[in-house]
Amino acid sequence: QVQLQQSGPGLLQPSQTLSLTCAVSGDSVSGNGAAWNWIRQSPSRGLEWLGRTYYRSKWWKSDYAGSVESRITIDADASKNQFSLRLNSVTPEDTAVYFCASGYALDFWGQGTVVTVSS
Amino acid sequence: DIVMTQSPDSLAVSLGERATINCKSSHNILYSSNNKNSLAWYQQKPGQPPKLLIYWASTRESGVPDRFSGSGSGTDFTLTISSLQAEDVAVYFCQQYLAVPLTFGGGTKVEIK
Repeated sequence: QVQLQQSGPGLLQPSQTLSLTCAVSGDSVSGNGAAWNWIRQSPSRGLEWLGRTYYRSKWWKSDYAGSVESRITIDADASKNQFSLRLNSVTPEDTAVYFCASGYALDFWGQGTVVTVSS
Repeated sequence: DIVMTQSPDSLAVSLGERATINCKSSHNILYSSNNKNSLAWYQQKPGQPPKLLIYWASTRESGVPDRFSGSGSGTDFTLTISSLQAEDVAVYFCQQYLAVPLTFGGGTKVEIK
């Protein structure tokens, strides 16, 4: 059974960088066929996929949503079996619950982190 | 981007009765490599992450009760709860995973009448 455990701060000031980590157990982040996603949820935007990272043919690859592409980095640390989200220059519009999740159909989810951006 | 449109926004059904939720995609989401539709359904209860119920439009995730079923192809899909139970009160979402960005429907809230 795959388990995803999120960690990271929940309160940020505008212009700061959001950094969250998702520790994976029960699977390998560098496993062939695996994909590791970040999604956020807010009343105004609903469920919004932010991006994913995956390991294919000896290379790490990432895909991002256009709405955040200029500010986002998702990468993985195979030695710690975890993956991370960094979102630069946050604004109050980035206030949301952030989830990590595995797969394409998203079969396993982290517990969620409430992130509030406020001065 | 592929836009996912769900209907209705909310639904009140008597215990034991059928609940039907619709989801329409703006593009055909058939995955040509396996001839299956890249459509998933999720259930979300307050304070919890979404839970995967159905993938490939009609395949139930392990452990999901068989009163939940998915159908449809191309651009039109349906989630059916054949006999609503009290524990099924939740918000339900569809999601396409054929193309990035992955996109979700706006959700359907299911309540007891």
